[in-house]
Amino acid sequence: DTEVTQTPKHLVMGMTNKKSLKCEQHMGHRAMYWYKQKAKKPPELMFVYSYEKLSINESVPSRFSPECPNSSLLNLHLHALQPEDSALYLCASSPGTEYEQYFGPGTRLTVT
Amino acid sequence: RKEVEQDPGPFNVPEGATVAFNCTYSNSASQSFFWYRQDCRKEPKLLMSVYSSGNEDGRFTAQLNRASQYISLLIRDSKLSDSATYLCVVNTGTASKLTFGTGTRLQVTL
Repeated sequence: DTEVTQTPKHLVMGMTNKKSLKCEQHMGHRAMYWYKQKAKKPPELMFVYSYEKLSINESVPSRFSPECPNSSLLNLHLHALQPEDSALYLCASSPGTEYEQYFGPGTRLTVT
Repeated sequence: RKEVEQDPGPFNVPEGATVAFNCTYSNSASQSFFWYRQDCRKEPKLLMSVYSSGNEDGRFTAQLNRASQYISLLIRDSKLSDSATYLCVVNTGTASKLTFGTGTRLQVTL
């Protein structure tokens, strides 16, 4: 079963709100990722966790804060976002960072 | 030069046609190669990994040419359900992250 789940499916938040996106996989994968995707563009990598440790931060603004509580879970904490942060946020996992990645269905975020 | 380049299309083909997409990559140290498909407003789904010896999965054939640094995807007997954006994805190995092409849009028509 190559399933990655994400909640919520949709999120609307104001610029002063704090919210969190959640991602879960039970495939025993050791690497997990956050991507941001705008319409008609490919996914842009934000963060990589390998063995529950942050290994790559693609110079993402601090208003995005990732957290990996355990090997199955990945969170993305959001605070003081801007309207231009509205996008589809995708979580992915892979057996290791050199292998194929499996994506969750994404959270469609709108910042008002 | 972009790290991964694809023709954005769209490729408009009739049902039953054969269509081929190419993708070039700039980093000769790249180790892993993949094709993903993405439907509108959905997540990317792995279509197939691409191996040096080439590989086939039903109507889909992927090939890798390391000398010329390009990857291809051939779709035979196109179906309406093949309509999607096809993303060429490369893992450079050193950075342990995937680099996505901008995608090629395929529209299969009756």
